[in-house]
Amino acid sequence: AQSVTQLGSHVSVSEGALVLLRCNYSSSVPPYLFWYVQYPNQGLQLLLKYTSAATLVKGINGFEAEFKKSETSFHLTKPSAHMSDAAEYFCAVSGSNDYKLSFGAGTTVTVRA
Amino acid sequence: KAGVTQTPRYLIKTRGQQVTLSCSPISGHRSVSWYQQTPGQGLQFLFEYFSETQRNKGNFPGRFSGRQFSNSRSEMNVSTLELGDSALYLCASSSLQGAPAFFGQGTRLTVV
Repeated sequence: AQSVTQLGSHVSVSEGALVLLRCNYSSSVPPYLFWYVQYPNQGLQLLLKYTSAATLVKGINGFEAEFKKSETSFHLTKPSAHMSDAAEYFCAVSGSNDYKLSFGAGTTVTVRA
Repeated sequence: KAGVTQTPRYLIKTRGQQVTLSCSPISGHRSVSWYQQTPGQGLQFLFEYFSETQRNKGNFPGRFSGRQFSNSRSEMNVSTLELGDSALYLCASSSLQGAPAFFGQGTRLTVV
């Protein structure tokens, strides 16, 4: 069974500062890993996904994540936070042959002016 | 290109009633999956359909059911509603097998 753990339920950053959201996975098979963002009263939007190609994955809105097998991690970063990045972020994992996502508990990002 | 459309957006039901939620995927997408989001349990997988066949089901009681039609539209039904069924129900679609990239805005169900 696959699962992910997001470290930190809330992160507060200053505008222009680095955004770092942590995600560790547990999987008995090579996983597919994802980051989604959810704005208030909205559905989820896919930011990026890792599917065993390049370990450094670039996504939308300037976000990127690096798959580190040795650390079982898939942390999400953005060099410079913008006010519009304030949202809840979810890390998720699936197997390569199944069709369901297992989500982390989410990390809420607040951006200070 | 229209996104994933879920109707209705908000719903209030009484305990014991049943409810049907609808999801229209992105045109051409044949896979539709459903998730429940609650403050306590987070996001949990309900089921996934591809070409009218349920391929995977989450760990929910039999009161939760779904189906997919030949035009890929999907419905989920919850019978004998309980207070704990109050949640945001999200539908997602994808064109191929694998995790979905596109989610609808959800249906917020409140059971009173």
